[in-house]
Amino acid sequence: DGGITQSPKYLFRKEGQNVTLSCEQNLNHDAMYWYRQDPGQGLRLIYYSQIVNDFQKGDIAEGYSVSREKKESFPLTVTSAQKNPTAFYLCASSIQLTNEKLFFGSGTQLSVL
Amino acid sequence: AQKVTQAQTEISVVEKEDVTLDCVYETRDTTYYLFWYKQPPSGELVFLIRRNSFDEQNEISGRYSWNFQKSTSSFNFTITASQVVDSAVYFCALNAGGTSYGKLTFGQGTILTVHP
Repeated sequence: DGGITQSPKYLFRKEGQNVTLSCEQNLNHDAMYWYRQDPGQGLRLIYYSQIVNDFQKGDIAEGYSVSREKKESFPLTVTSAQKNPTAFYLCASSIQLTNEKLFFGSGTQLSVL
Repeated sequence: AQKVTQAQTEISVVEKEDVTLDCVYETRDTTYYLFWYKQPPSGELVFLIRRNSFDEQNEISGRYSWNFQKSTSSFNFTITASQVVDSAVYFCALNAGGTSYGKLTFGQGTILTVHP
């Protein structure tokens, strides 16, 4: 079945540590996205990518980095510069960077030790 | 700037009741798209509907219906005869054109709990 796979489901970060969240899709979609979800605040866009080797900052990109070396993969690194990383992170994809619907993964819950 | 407001943080109903989830949006664009997504306890968001700004027809899909009114900038979602499986967080979202093309602005979400 086609879809988006996020791993791990739960992740813990120590002070000063960088951690990487994985996102893989087999839907052959060009566009991919990372959203952060905090309780009572909805989803906020971190980064998005329209095509391989291209990505753009979203509304809350500070403290995060991404890469898009393959069409199927869009990993998100939460760096030590992100002072409040505890949140639920959702990866999504769409056929193109248009007004089409998004397909979401099942998310990664990141917590700080 | 775009904004989506879901004023109802939590709603609790008993099975078979009808329930309406409110969504109010703000945008200066004349072309835009509105969405509703459902987030069950498993975490992933599931697409429910997309409407463009030029189509104000209401839509019905089984027990779900949507009322789009440009005059009040609202895109409300009604579940008829609610069921326990409808319990989830529901998000309304906006996608406008121009530099915002391809990016969704989400509301805060409404937690719906349907009791047996």
